[in-house]
Amino acid sequence: ETGVTQTPRHLVMGMTNKKSLKCEQHLGHNAMYWYKQSAKKPLELMFVYSLEERVENNSVPSRFSPECPNSSHLFLHLHTLQPEDSALYLCASSPGGTVTDTQYFGPGTRLTVL
Amino acid sequence: GQNIDQPTEMTATEGAIVQINCTYQTSGFNGLFWYQQHAGEAPTFLSYNVLDGLEEKGRFSSFLSRSKGYSYLLLKELQMKDSASYLCAVLDSNYQLIWGAGTKLIIKP
Repeated sequence: ETGVTQTPRHLVMGMTNKKSLKCEQHLGHNAMYWYKQSAKKPLELMFVYSLEERVENNSVPSRFSPECPNSSHLFLHLHTLQPEDSALYLCASSPGGTVTDTQYFGPGTRLTVL
Repeated sequence: GQNIDQPTEMTATEGAIVQINCTYQTSGFNGLFWYQQHAGEAPTFLSYNVLDGLEEKGRFSSFLSRSKGYSYLLLKELQMKDSASYLCAVLDSNYQLIWGAGTKLIIKP
């Protein structure tokens, strides 16, 4: 256990569905991250929140919408996804707001878009 | 462009030693991370190198040569539980974390 939890662990959705991924960290960290991990590809940073404010977007398609209501919770809202969005979505947190800090990852949500 | 290269897959024998290499070409350098990721689980932090040389932590050691854009992770006395993917990631001059695709390590009895 890394102190970062994600729900659901697995999600299958159609292209017209709307769903949300949830991440919660119990470490008292100030920064949280969403990553996309596709098979045999490098981790792709999607969003970074530091002290609940978004600091990085990385040109992610608008069908992915993050929300960070407080420093312990992070959501990724999904709508009208494409099959190529099927991947493992990882949440991470770090003590400060810079990536020089060690990141602690959650177990991920395995997303399949039909 | 920025690039991190690691072998896709390696196989080693239980009790042996294995070295996983990582070469990088990035705009600047502010440190290199190694993470371990078991199948279906979260990546977990192994090491962070920002200065040249070898850092040892139990059975695992990490080496960095900034002039060569090269690092390796050395695993000794391999155990079956070491079967996992090993991710190399570099912080560039803008403190962007650039990730490699990972090396899948298979341990055989």
